[in-house]
Amino acid sequence: DTGVSQDPRHKITKRGQNVTFRCDPISEHNRLYWYRQTLGQGPEFLTYFQNEAQLEKSRLLSDRFSAERPKGSFSTLEIQRTEQGDSAMYLCASAPGPINEQFFGPGTRLTVL
Amino acid sequence: EDQVTQSPEALRLQEGESSSLNCSYTVSGLRGLFWYRQDPGKGPEFLFTLYSAGEEKEKERLKATLTKKESFLHITAPKPEDSATYLCAVQDRGSNYKLTFGKGTLLTVNP
Repeated sequence: DTGVSQDPRHKITKRGQNVTFRCDPISEHNRLYWYRQTLGQGPEFLTYFQNEAQLEKSRLLSDRFSAERPKGSFSTLEIQRTEQGDSAMYLCASAPGPINEQFFGPGTRLTVL
Repeated sequence: EDQVTQSPEALRLQEGESSSLNCSYTVSGLRGLFWYRQDPGKGPEFLFTLYSAGEEKEKERLKATLTKKESFLHITAPKPEDSATYLCAVQDRGSNYKLTFGKGTLLTVNP
């Protein structure tokens, strides 16, 4: 399977704990995006990378959130001191260029108790 | 700020009953409009990209059209396997290539 992969698929954590998600984009895609989706809503943009450079962060991305893409390959999204409001599906997408369609991974479902 | 409004929120059809989903958008300058299909618990699956008014794209029973203010996703003779949430998203020329999504239309096709 050469699509976008995400790990883990599901994560249950207690409030206050830190969590980290991983995204592996399609290999030749230099653009990588993170979105968050809650029930009944469309995905909301969080941040995006061109190669290893993080070029934009949404105001939704509080200082508890950090994302990296070392060497322009896989990316990680870390949430520190999780809150119940962080419960959502976290989606990763990649694209070969700026105006091409974005291909999404299966998502990581986060539940904060 | 970019806005995308999809209607209806939910639509129930009988197998073979054709219909259309609407996506109205407000952007400062449209770079592209995207349609995705999303099944429960899964990530969105890309369907179409439209770039300019008057453009049309087709794939099996689906046809997407674009005007300066809205896009339609026409579903011809749907089957139960077409049941899913259909998401519309826009990419603004003034944005950094992010997508702004609508809330989606939940389509249910009964056999």
